[in-house]
Amino acid sequence: AQSVAQPEDQVNVAEGNPLTVKCTYSVSGNPYLFWYVQYPNRGLQFLLKYITGDNLVKGSYGFEAEFNKSQTSFHLKKPSALVSDSALYFCAVRDPYNTDKLIFGTGTRLQVFP
Amino acid sequence: NAGVTQTPKFRILKIGQSMTLQCAQDMNHNYMYWYRQDPGMGLKLIYYSVGAGITDKGEVPNGYNVSRSTTEDFPLRLELAAPSQTSVYFCASSEKTANYGYTFGSGTRLTVV
Repeated sequence: AQSVAQPEDQVNVAEGNPLTVKCTYSVSGNPYLFWYVQYPNRGLQFLLKYITGDNLVKGSYGFEAEFNKSQTSFHLKKPSALVSDSALYFCAVRDPYNTDKLIFGTGTRLQVFP
Repeated sequence: NAGVTQTPKFRILKIGQSMTLQCAQDMNHNYMYWYRQDPGMGLKLIYYSVGAGITDKGEVPNGYNVSRSTTEDFPLRLELAAPSQTSVYFCASSEKTANYGYTFGSGTRLTVV
């Protein structure tokens, strides 16, 4: 089955430290990968996507993600975390058998402490 | 632009009642989606539509119905509400295929008691 996994329910990091939120995928063919962020009581907001090209993708709010085909991963990173980055982060992959749809992971809660 | 607008934001239903969750987008997007979000479960696709007059089931369609009479509107109907339908519901839209990513509404928090 096509899927995306976020192995950590929660990630804690001190403000100013680098952060990584992990995502691995299992899909047929070339993956189209996405990261979304959800702030409290809000809908999901698009952060970045990988379709093709450079393995390092830059997105909104200083986030970036690295596509690693051999490890089937698409980890979200930021060099210096802010308290305001605290939110719920979702990784998603386009369903290769129905390109109209995205398959979402279960989400990782990022907590940045002052 | 308003983007994707969902109403109501909150609702409490009694078991067996029915209601319609409204979703409207003003971006002229062809693709629209309904998801439900449950704690620890991520987002599950309920129904989606690739254009006016066309709808299709997602992963968890049972207990729900949709219609798409216009490009702008994609209402979700709950018939005979059950406690298992307590969730946060998100509507989303996309210009073309999922390649373009989604724009989400702010959600409807539904409680069935």
